[in-house]
Amino acid sequence: AQSVTQLDSQVPVFEEAPVELRCNYSSSVSVYLFWYVQYPNQGLQLLLKYLSGSTLVKGINGFEAEFNKSQTSFHLRKPSVHISDTAEYFCAVGSYNFNKFYFGSGTKLNVKP
Amino acid sequence: DGGITQSPKYLFRKEGQNVTLSCEQNLNHDAMYWYRQDPGQGLRLIYYSQIVNDFQKGDIAEGYSVSREKKESFPLTVTSAQKNPTAFYLCASGTGATGELFFGEGSRLTVL
Repeated sequence: AQSVTQLDSQVPVFEEAPVELRCNYSSSVSVYLFWYVQYPNQGLQLLLKYLSGSTLVKGINGFEAEFNKSQTSFHLRKPSVHISDTAEYFCAVGSYNFNKFYFGSGTKLNVKP
Repeated sequence: DGGITQSPKYLFRKEGQNVTLSCEQNLNHDAMYWYRQDPGQGLRLIYYSQIVNDFQKGDIAEGYSVSREKKESFPLTVTSAQKNPTAFYLCASGTGATGELFFGEGSRLTVL
């Protein structure tokens, strides 16, 4: 079975400060990891994904994430956030053949001026 | 433009009524998914389909039904058996090859 844990339900941060959104997963098989962003009353958009290769993954809007197999983590980072980054962020894990995706409970990022 | 279209965006239903949410995609994706989103609970998988005329239950399928008669369409019916249907419903599609899911803008169902 697979599961995803996002420990922080809300993260307040000031504009231009760095931010890290935490994600831990559990799985008995190889997994593929994703971060999605959701703006209010909209669907989700892919920020970045880890399938294989380099453990540091760069995505859109200046976000990056690092896959750490020993700690079963895939934390999302941005060195300097903008007001426009205010949204909810979801970590997800996919099974080997992608027939199922499991999502975390989400982290609301609130960027303050 | 290619994408996923969900309708209606907002829907109100009386208790005891069935309601069908539409999901159409023109991305030529084989796989389609329905998720339910509740505050603080993330997305939970209701049903998914890998090919036409075939679908599987997800983690919370009770009280829901689907069909996949065409590659482009994957409607979800919320039946009167669903005890707590008020939620935001998201449809998604994907190819499996890249692992990326493409989402519609969602349908918000409120039971009065």
